Amino acid sequence: QQPVQSPQAVILREGEDAVINCSSSKALYSVHWYRQKHGEAPVFLMILLKGGEQKGHEKISASFNEKKQQSSLYLTASQLSYSGTYFCGTEKASNTGKLIFGQGTTLQVKP
Amino acid sequence: DAEITQSPRHKITETGRQVTLACHQTWNHNNMFWYRQDLGHGLRLIHYSYGVQDTNKGEVSDGYSVSRSNTEDLPLTLESAASSQTSVYFCASSESSGVVDTQYFGPGTRLTVL
Repeated sequence: QQPVQSPQAVILREGEDAVINCSSSKALYSVHWYRQKHGEAPVFLMILLKGGEQKGHEKISASFNEKKQQSSLYLTASQLSYSGTYFCGTEKASNTGKLIFGQGTTLQVKP
Repeated sequence: DAEITQSPRHKITETGRQVTLACHQTWNHNNMFWYRQDLGHGLRLIHYSYGVQDTNKGEVSDGYSVSRSNTEDLPLTLESAASSQTSVYFCASSESSGVVDTQYFGPGTRLTVL
């Protein structure tokens, strides 16, 4: 039941774009995105609720395709500070507050 | 400022010993969660609580227990530590809003079982 993230790892040059996908075989209520730097705690980025809404946070945005049960995280004009591991956490059915996390996508941005 | 803290930050123990990891939050959140993080597995849910006296098992609860006697604290106990429980442990909390709840994570505890 763990969501599947793709790709597992990506290397970018500064200024390039990236997309990280999170897919579930179960119907989802919400998808939560976090970024974790090495040796630190995961930091909340944004939440997507079912309904296909798209949200934005500076140059980082995300969408949620309810038909496909897939969320995508878009990183535009990447900066060195974007490096880290990105996790999606999925919440099934309704607002239970309980998340199941994907295995993570490691993003490395090089100068 | 409100926050969530974990202690100790690093712990080395021996196989068979009982270990308790502390988690304390000052947000007055109803929901609290314990995860373990291992390379290649992401964050896996151990136990969670929706309020005082409420506890629930997560996906990897064997060998762990929790109790919730107040809103602020959810200690995690390893009854008899095993080498397979060497991991980084994160505590998180969220407000029970009824719509969607954002989880905020503590700094983590690195546990080594020898």
